[in-house]
Formats: sequence, structure tokens, C-alpha cells
Amino acid sequence: DAKTTQPNSMESNEEEPVHLPCNHSTISGTDYIHWYRQLPSQGPEYVIHGLTSNVNNRMASLAIAEDRKSSTLILHRATLRDAAVYYCIRQNSGGSNYKLTFGKGTLLTVNP
Amino acid sequence: DTEVTQTPKHLVMGMTNKKSLKCEQHMGHRAMYWYKQKAKKPPELMFVYSYEKLSINESVPSRFSPECPNSSLLNLHLHALQPEDSALYLCASSQVGLTGYTFGSGTRLTVV
Repeated sequence: DAKTTQPNSMESNEEEPVHLPCNHSTISGTDYIHWYRQLPSQGPEYVIHGLTSNVNNRMASLAIAEDRKSSTLILHRATLRDAAVYYCIRQNSGGSNYKLTFGKGTLLTVNP
Repeated sequence: DTEVTQTPKHLVMGMTNKKSLKCEQHMGHRAMYWYKQKAKKPPELMFVYSYEKLSINESVPSRFSPECPNSSLLNLHLHALQPEDSALYLCASSQVGLTGYTFGSGTRLTVV
């Protein structure tokens, strides 16, 4: 049970920002939000993760709602290389099990 | 070294064969994982090792046998597989705790 909800697919144009939404309405106070992406024929790639505050790194920004029931991954300028399946994942902090359980993800298409 | 290396990249095996998949990392990560990914589906967690000890087995059939000989190596021994076990097998590693995973590119397994 991945416990996150994402749109099946989204489209964007090259060099435009992309906002990928994720709902996680049953998130607990200590669960982190992770984003991974998977390009065709490759393993998933870590993008970003956060707990409460917005987070930025060289790949993307993560905006987490104040109630933590949703988050948005922001790609500031999409390139053709960003076309991938993007997974939003809650990392369960229960006990010592920090496993990542993948949901269906969002297939992002980037148009030239 | 910031990579997880998986060998072989491709493997074809018969249902009576015994084979092994290998995963190696030199990032000092003490948690390692096996995932299985069928075509057009998200990765599914199979096993988690933490400090070289098996901590999670997601009810995986016994024809899959994991082994963690040391902190850098993770093996998956395969025996008497079925054609439906054909999939991409992904290895990942991380620090123990709420942190990002590094995935390998996977071994594409075909059972004939």
C-alpha cells in the first residue's frame, strides 16, 4: 500500500516549469516524502526528499503543504532528459523499517 | 564511488537452472535492498538487509534466496524459477535510516 496518489500522466513543454502533484492525506508526523524518477531502461534515481519544510537541490524543488497532506515536485525548466516516470513515496519511519514502497507514479512527457 | 553496480545486466535461464545476481556498492551504505520490477509497473520491494542482516522479507517465494556476505555485497540466488519471474531485478543501497536510496541499473532476467 503506497498511500500516495499521483496523476497517471502529465505533459510539459521544454524549458517550461513542471509541477508534479502528490496527495498523501494519511501521512503520519514522522514520515518523509521522497521523490524518485525512472528513465526508460534504468533504475530509479533519487530526486529529493523532505519532512516539513520546502527543499531545494540542483535537480528540483519540493514544496510540502503546511498540513503535509500533499506535496509538489517542481522542475524549474524541463528538458527532454526529464521525461521519465516520477514516483512520490512516503518513507515509513515505523520501528527500524525505513523501506520505500513505490506507487504507480506519473509519466512525464516533455515536448520539444 | 557513488554507484551501485549490478551484474550481469542480462540473464536468460531455464527453469531448472541455478543462477545468482550480484550487487556491489562502495559508498559505506549499511542498508541494501532487492526490488523486482515487471514491465510498466512500479518496483516491488523483495528484501531489506540492514547491517548485513536480513530485516525484511516481503513474503518472497523461497526460490529467491538473498545473501549479504559483507557490507559491500548483496547477492540474490535463483533456483527453479518460473517464466512469470521474468522481470528487471533492481538492487539499491542507502544509509540506515530515513535517507535516499541509490539504485543500480538492474539485471533483466528472462526465465525460459
